[in-house]
Amino acid sequence: DGGITQSPKYLFRKEGQNVTLSCEQNLNHDAMYWYRQDPGQGLRLIYYSQIVNDFQKGDIAEGYSVSREKKESFPLTVTSAQKNPTAFYLCASGLTGRGSPLHFGNGTRLTVT
Amino acid sequence: SQQGEEDPQALSIQEGENATMNCSYKTSINNLQWYRQNSGRGLVHLILIRSNEREKHSGRLRVTLDTSKKSSSLLITASRAADTASYFCATDGNGGATNKLIFGTGTLLAVQP
Repeated sequence: DGGITQSPKYLFRKEGQNVTLSCEQNLNHDAMYWYRQDPGQGLRLIYYSQIVNDFQKGDIAEGYSVSREKKESFPLTVTSAQKNPTAFYLCASGLTGRGSPLHFGNGTRLTVT
Repeated sequence: SQQGEEDPQALSIQEGENATMNCSYKTSINNLQWYRQNSGRGLVHLILIRSNEREKHSGRLRVTLDTSKKSSSLLITASRAADTASYFCATDGNGGATNKLIFGTGTLLAVQP
């Protein structure tokens, strides 16, 4: 079955530690995205990539980093510079055309204490 | 920056009733999409309506778009308990050639059996 997989589902870290969230897709999509979701809020775009080895900052990129070495994979690193890292992180993929529907993974809930 | 705003923030209805959610946005769009999110899960694409369309149907879903008012509505007819979820609108805004969807804050729908 084609789909997008995020792992792990739950992640706990101590403050000051970097942590990497995994996102893999087998939908052959060129574009991939990372969104952050906080309670009572919509999704905010962290980073996106339209092609391998290229990515752009979204609206809230500070304290995050990404890589896109393979078409299928778009890992997100939450660094210690991110002031409020506790959140629900969603990865998505889609075609590159403007307004194309996105396919989402089931998210990683990160808790930093 | 958030572009879509849903109204109401929360809606509780009885099974069998219709549910209507509204979305307002700020800039010109190519299309508007609606997504559904079950608690603790990723978003699922429901329906897309293009800027030159006024109404679109898909099963029990009916979407309208009024570009002059920069607003859209999602109607779910004959609701079921399984429709309980959060519903988000998303627009492509003025992202140029890139597919940067901007999500609203969502409407939490509770359908009582």
